[in-house]
Amino acid sequence: AQSVTQLGSHVSVSEGALVLLRCNYSSSVPPYLFWYVQYPNQGLQLLLKYTSAATLVKGINGFEAEFKKSETSFHLTKPSAHMSDAAEYFCAVAGSARQLTFGSGTQLTVLP
Amino acid sequence: DAEITQSPRHKITETGRQVTLACHQTWNHNNMFWYRQDLGHGLRLIHYSYGVQDTNKGEVSDGYSVSRSNTEDLPLTLESAASSQTSVYFCASSESRVQDTEAFFGQGTRLTVV
Repeated sequence: AQSVTQLGSHVSVSEGALVLLRCNYSSSVPPYLFWYVQYPNQGLQLLLKYTSAATLVKGINGFEAEFKKSETSFHLTKPSAHMSDAAEYFCAVAGSARQLTFGSGTQLTVLP
Repeated sequence: DAEITQSPRHKITETGRQVTLACHQTWNHNNMFWYRQDLGHGLRLIHYSYGVQDTNKGEVSDGYSVSRSNTEDLPLTLESAASSQTSVYFCASSESRVQDTEAFFGQGTRLTVV
């Protein structure tokens, strides 16, 4: 079975600082990995996805993630945090049935 | 614009009552999913469907049922609501048969069982 683990349920950064949200996956086959963002009282929105075409994936709003097979990781980064980045972020892996298995989420707080 | 809508957005019901949450998408997607979101658990899959008349159980399907009579709708029914089913429910849809396809999510339904 595939799974993802997100380290840190809450992360706080100052505005302008580097954002790093951690995700490790477990999969017996090459995984399809996703990062979704959830703003308050809204549904989930796709930030980016890894589909084996390139190990460094660029997404919306300046976010990117690097797939590292040796570390079974897919960490999400943004060089400079903005107040509007405050949200909950979910890492997910796609199963053979096209369903998503989500991590437990990381709440990002951006401090002024 | 195409979209996916859930109704109601908020509902309070009593233990033991039958409740149905609606999900309607206008993308003509074949795949539809229901998830529940609980603190510390992320989103967990309840049921999913690949097309009309097709339904499948997910990780946490006990106490829930779905039916797919057309492409646009996948209603979720709680047969006899329990306090453990208090949660935020999300419907999602996706288009293709491949695993890397993006899923589109509704705004969620917050259900409280008292």
